[in-house]
Amino acid sequence: AQSVAQPEDQVNVAEGNPLTVKCTYSVSGNPYLFWYVQYPNRGLQFLLKYITGDNLVKGSYGFEAEFNKSQTSFHLKKPSALVSDSALYFCAVRARVPSGAGSYQLTFGKGTKLSVIP
Amino acid sequence: DTGVSQDPRHKITKRGQNVTFRCDPISEHNRLYWYRQTLGQGPEFLTYFQNEAQLEKSRLLSDRFSAERPKGSFSTLEIQRTEQGDSAMYLCASSWNRLKQTGLFTGELFFGEGSRLTVL
Repeated sequence: AQSVAQPEDQVNVAEGNPLTVKCTYSVSGNPYLFWYVQYPNRGLQFLLKYITGDNLVKGSYGFEAEFNKSQTSFHLKKPSALVSDSALYFCAVRARVPSGAGSYQLTFGKGTKLSVIP
Repeated sequence: DTGVSQDPRHKITKRGQNVTFRCDPISEHNRLYWYRQTLGQGPEFLTYFQNEAQLEKSRLLSDRFSAERPKGSFSTLEIQRTEQGDSAMYLCASSWNRLKQTGLFTGELFFGEGSRLTVL
């Protein structure tokens, strides 16, 4: 079964420092990987995705993610953190629906709370 | 606003009552998803529609839950005889399964702001 793991419940980083939010995945076949951000009491906003091609994917708000097939990882990164980046970050993998009907849905990790300290 | 909209944003109800949530997807999207999110967890898949057809239901969706998308546009999620364990954020998302122009799978879901349910 497809799954993602976000090993850190919380990441603290000082404003201006680089940030990394970790994600590892388990999937059969080629992975389709996503990062979403969630602000308090809000829905999820799409940040970026890896489908195929370049292992370094650039997304919204200056975020990027590096796909590493050998380590089955898809870590989210940003060179210089902002206080406004403080939020919940979710990694997701495209997974076949359980019935095997050939359709897909996104399976999410538990999330990582990022706190950027001024 | 052309994003996914959900109504109501917040619902407080007493145990045993029925509640209904509505989702209006992005108009050109043919797929609509419902997810549930509890505190400290990521969203969990509940069900999805392609146009008006409900193609998949998670085992999380007990018999008390029913979802419809009668004309392939908006969707409703009804919970009957609510229980305290139903307290959660109910998220709706929509997507295309293919880009019209290229046929490429896009994959990403576009989420609404969610409907928070509190069962007392």
